[in-house]
Amino acid sequence: KQEVTQIPAALSVPEGENLVLNCSFTDSAIYNLQWFRQDPGKGLTSLLLIQSSQREQTSGRLNASLDKSSGRSTLYIAASQPGDSATYLCAVPFSGTYKYIFGTGTRLKVLA
Amino acid sequence: EPEVTQTPSHQVTQMGQEVILRCVPISNHLYFYWYRQILGQKVEFLVSFYNNEISEKSEIFDDQFSVERPDGSNFTLKIRSTKLEDSAMYFCASSESLAGGEDEQFFGPGTRLTVL
Repeated sequence: KQEVTQIPAALSVPEGENLVLNCSFTDSAIYNLQWFRQDPGKGLTSLLLIQSSQREQTSGRLNASLDKSSGRSTLYIAASQPGDSATYLCAVPFSGTYKYIFGTGTRLKVLA
Repeated sequence: EPEVTQTPSHQVTQMGQEVILRCVPISNHLYFYWYRQILGQKVEFLVSFYNNEISEKSEIFDDQFSVERPDGSNFTLKIRSTKLEDSAMYFCASSESLAGGEDEQFFGPGTRLTVL
């Protein structure tokens, strides 16, 4: 079964820390991987998209890496701020299907 | 910047009633999707739509659900007879080209459906 898993489920860190969120997927045959941010009760904000041929993408303080062979992606957040507090989701379209399979998310709280 | 829009933002309905959720995908996009997220749970795929027909659907998308592109801009999800367990946030998404799976999906802000 094609699944996406995210660990940890929740994370609480002091402001200023660098942190890593993990996403793993069960099949290396993927088209791409996308990271989203979701605030409570709100929609999905796209953060980064990594194509299957890429190893990483960067946007500001965010860096996402992709290792297809091991079925893993990491989202690195540098110098975390209280405004980064949200749930972070990864989503993957496995080859042969265009639907996104979402992970359960990591709920991040950055303490001031 | 072009974006996917959804209306209404919040819909409250009585159990057994029909609801139609509306989406306007990005204008040059060819693939359209509906996802839902029950409170506290993960986002789940419902259906994808291309060239005026369903290209893929999940087990959730049973006979009470239907999708339609009634004109050149709107994409709708109809729930024929709502149940309490249909209460969720419904997201519409669209992607650009025939590459389909390789393309980024752009998500709308969601419609929160509450079934009483």
